[in-house]
Amino acid sequence: DAGVTQSPTHLIKTRGQQVTLRCSPKSGHDTVSWYQQALGQGPQFIFQYYEEEERQRGNFPDRFSGHQFPNYSSELNVNALLLGDSALYLCASSLAPNPTQYFGPGTRLTVL
Amino acid sequence: KQEVTQIPAALSVPEGENLVLNCSFTDSAIYNLQWFRQDPGKGLTSLLLIQSSQREQTSGRLNASLDKSSGRSTLYIAASQPGDSATYLCAARFRAGNNRKLIWGLGTSLAVNP
Repeated sequence: DAGVTQSPTHLIKTRGQQVTLRCSPKSGHDTVSWYQQALGQGPQFIFQYYEEEERQRGNFPDRFSGHQFPNYSSELNVNALLLGDSALYLCASSLAPNPTQYFGPGTRLTVL
Repeated sequence: KQEVTQIPAALSVPEGENLVLNCSFTDSAIYNLQWFRQDPGKGLTSLLLIQSSQREQTSGRLNASLDKSSGRSTLYIAASQPGDSATYLCAARFRAGNNRKLIWGLGTSLAVNP
């Protein structure tokens, strides 16, 4: 039974570029949440997707957008990258309405 | 404002010691609280989830308690081992507002020395 997977594991971009991160939820899960974790900080909630729609959003600018596909996988897109976007991006999946989330290994994004 | 605080930020103990990690939250109207483990540069592993109707949960050498009235949760680790070295984060969901969003503490970095 595959757990939550994320790709790529590491990514280096320059300021102003755009990036797409991918997440496949745990088998049987239908809800995907994205978090940003800066070094030495706790995860910050970006948004959550369920039934291909954004259900809830944290305090992130519109540069951060997402998508959920019919197979429940999800993408996180960040436009016009800033140095401050450098972080570990975590994806978590769950099966509604159970709130227990399972986390992927994360994607380490470095913006130069 | 709903906040989650973890103290201490870092802890170093000798192998075999029993230890307690603390998590406090500002809103007693909690929906549930979850403890996670994070190894350096890695993702999060869920350890224990306590619903608001529960007082504690146990898994192996781990025991988590929840006291809504005092706004506190503790994670007890028995007979600590070097493999327990990691950052431990607690996160809470609250009934007020949207209870699907986790509010995170900053974590306690634990080092268990052989």
